[in-house]
Amino acid sequence: AQTVTQSQPEMSVQEAETVTLSCTYDTSENNYYLFWYKQPPSRQMILVIRQEAYKQQNATENRFSVNFQKAAKSFSLKISDSQLGDTAMYFCAFNNAGGTSYGKLTFGQGTILTVHP
Amino acid sequence: DAGVIQSPRHEVTEMGQEVTLRCKPISGHNSLFWYRQTMMRGLELLIYFNNNVPIDDSGMPEDRFSAKMPNASFSTLKIQPSEPRDSAVYFCASSSRQGQETQYFGPGTRLLVL
Repeated sequence: AQTVTQSQPEMSVQEAETVTLSCTYDTSENNYYLFWYKQPPSRQMILVIRQEAYKQQNATENRFSVNFQKAAKSFSLKISDSQLGDTAMYFCAFNNAGGTSYGKLTFGQGTILTVHP
Repeated sequence: DAGVIQSPRHEVTEMGQEVTLRCKPISGHNSLFWYRQTMMRGLELLIYFNNNVPIDDSGMPEDRFSAKMPNASFSTLKIQPSEPRDSAVYFCASSSRQGQETQYFGPGTRLLVL
């Protein structure tokens, strides 16, 4: 079974600074997808960024980028120029592209990020 | 695009009552997922459908829970009878291609069983 671990329960950053959230995962599969979702106080789950395991290039979405290290099974999220609206719980998630858990999203425990003015 | 629609957004009920949660996936999506979020267990997958067919219900906690998808645009999650430990936020998500595409989440239903 796949597992996703987020070792930072809470993080804080000053507005306009950069912060990195960590995520590691464990799988025996070679083809899979990784995601970061954001959950603000409204509880809505919002997709932040997605990475396909077969792509070597790290995904970027405006101020959000990832550092995907497949051999190390690491998938960190970097938020540049942090904004107050980035305050939320961030979840790392794994989706197997095949095998017995095909289609299931496995989530990490979440990291609460607070951006201070 | 309307996104995934869930109703009700909030539900308060008494122990023993039947609760029905509803979901309308994004038009054109053929995979639908039900998740539950609690403080103790985090986010956990309950069941998912592909082309209206239940594929994996191993996450359904017990027989009190049931889910249906009678057509491509509607799904229900029913709890009968409800218990206080069922209190949680229930999310519905959909994707356009099982396992291949991003899952988009609805706003969730916050359930409180007294």
